[in-house]
Amino acid sequence: KQEVTQIPAALSVPEGENLVLNCSFTDSAIYNLQWFRQDPGKGLTSLLLIQSSQREQTSGRLNASLDKSSGRSTLYIAASQPGDSATYLCAVRGAQKLVFGQGTRLTINP
Amino acid sequence: KAGVTQTPRYLIKTRGQQVTLSCSPISGHRSVSWYQQTPGQGLQFLFEYFSETQRNKGNFPGRFSGRQFSNSRSEMNVSTLELGDSALYLCASSLVGADNYGYTFGSGTRLTVV
Repeated sequence: KQEVTQIPAALSVPEGENLVLNCSFTDSAIYNLQWFRQDPGKGLTSLLLIQSSQREQTSGRLNASLDKSSGRSTLYIAASQPGDSATYLCAVRGAQKLVFGQGTRLTINP
Repeated sequence: KAGVTQTPRYLIKTRGQQVTLSCSPISGHRSVSWYQQTPGQGLQFLFEYFSETQRNKGNFPGRFSGRQFSNSRSEMNVSTLELGDSALYLCASSLVGADNYGYTFGSGTRLTVV
């Protein structure tokens, strides 16, 4: 059974810092890994999708890496801004479903 | 291009009642999945439909059911509501045969059972 763990559960940093969010999974037989952002009471917004054959993906200030053999992914956020405050979720795709981590609640202080 | 549309956004129901939630996927997406999000359990998979057939089902009681129509729209039904069914229900759509494609989520339906 696939299990996804995100560390840390919460993170508070001052504006402008670069930061790294971690995601680990127990079963390396995945199709892809997706990072999402969720604002309070809202749905999920897809940030980055990494295929199982890829090592990383970049979008603006965001960079996600994937090491399938070790069951790890990281989301790097450069030059953080208060608008980046949200919960960040990673999810791995197995057979016809996503398995989510519990998320990292990120607060960027002005 | 329109996103995933879920209706209604909010619902308040009484224990014992039943409820139906609706999800319209992105045009061209034929796979629709449902997830339940609660503070204690996080996001949990309910079921996935493709071409009107349920392809996969999560570990939920039979009170939770769904269906998909020929236009790919999907509905989820919960019968005999319990207080623990209070949650944010999220629908996601994906391309057909899309093991290598990502999911796009709707804004969710917030269900409160009193």
